[in-house]
Amino acid sequence: DTGVSQDPRHKITKRGQNVTFRCDPISEHNRLYWYRQTLGQGPEFLTYFQNEAQLEKSRLLSDRFSAERPKGSFSTLEIQRTEQGDSAMYLCASSPSRGLPFAGELFFGEGSRLTVL
Amino acid sequence: DAKTTQPNSMESNEEEPVHLPCNHSTISGTDYIHWYRQLPSQGPEYVIHGLTSNVNNRMASLAIAEDRKSSTLILHRATLRDAAVYYCIGGGADGLTFGKGTHLIIQP
Repeated sequence: DTGVSQDPRHKITKRGQNVTFRCDPISEHNRLYWYRQTLGQGPEFLTYFQNEAQLEKSRLLSDRFSAERPKGSFSTLEIQRTEQGDSAMYLCASSPSRGLPFAGELFFGEGSRLTVL
Repeated sequence: DAKTTQPNSMESNEEEPVHLPCNHSTISGTDYIHWYRQLPSQGPEYVIHGLTSNVNNRMASLAIAEDRKSSTLILHRATLRDAAVYYCIGGGADGLTFGKGTHLIIQP
């Protein structure tokens, strides 16, 4: 399968623990995006990378959240000191590097569902 | 990003055309209009996008009003597999803002 891959698909953790999600984009895609989706809501933009550079961060991305894409390929999203409000689906998307960053098709993974107890 | 307004839900019959409306009155001149859909427990799937002209692809057609304040996604012949939440997004360079979308129900 050559689509966007996310791992783990499900994560249950206790409040205060740290969690890390990994996203492997489609191989020729230079752009990578993280979104968060809570039940009954649409996805909310968190951050965006062009290769290894993090070019955009939403105000939603608090200090407890950090994202990296060290070699311009896979990306990780870490949440430190998790809170119950962090429970959500974390979605990764990628796109080829053509034109404006949000002007074309984004390819989404199936997401990583986080439950904070 | 432009704020978009969509009906919460719509219902249609299988094999009939479906017209999903979206208002985006605050859209800027350079913001594309995107449509995605999402099935339960899956990530969003791209449907179509456009800037000013009407657009067609294998999945759907996008009709954009001349003033760009609204658009309509057209599914020419709905199937049961088209039942999903459809998001209309006015996206700029600072991220795509998905609203709550329209829950499309297809009756057999």
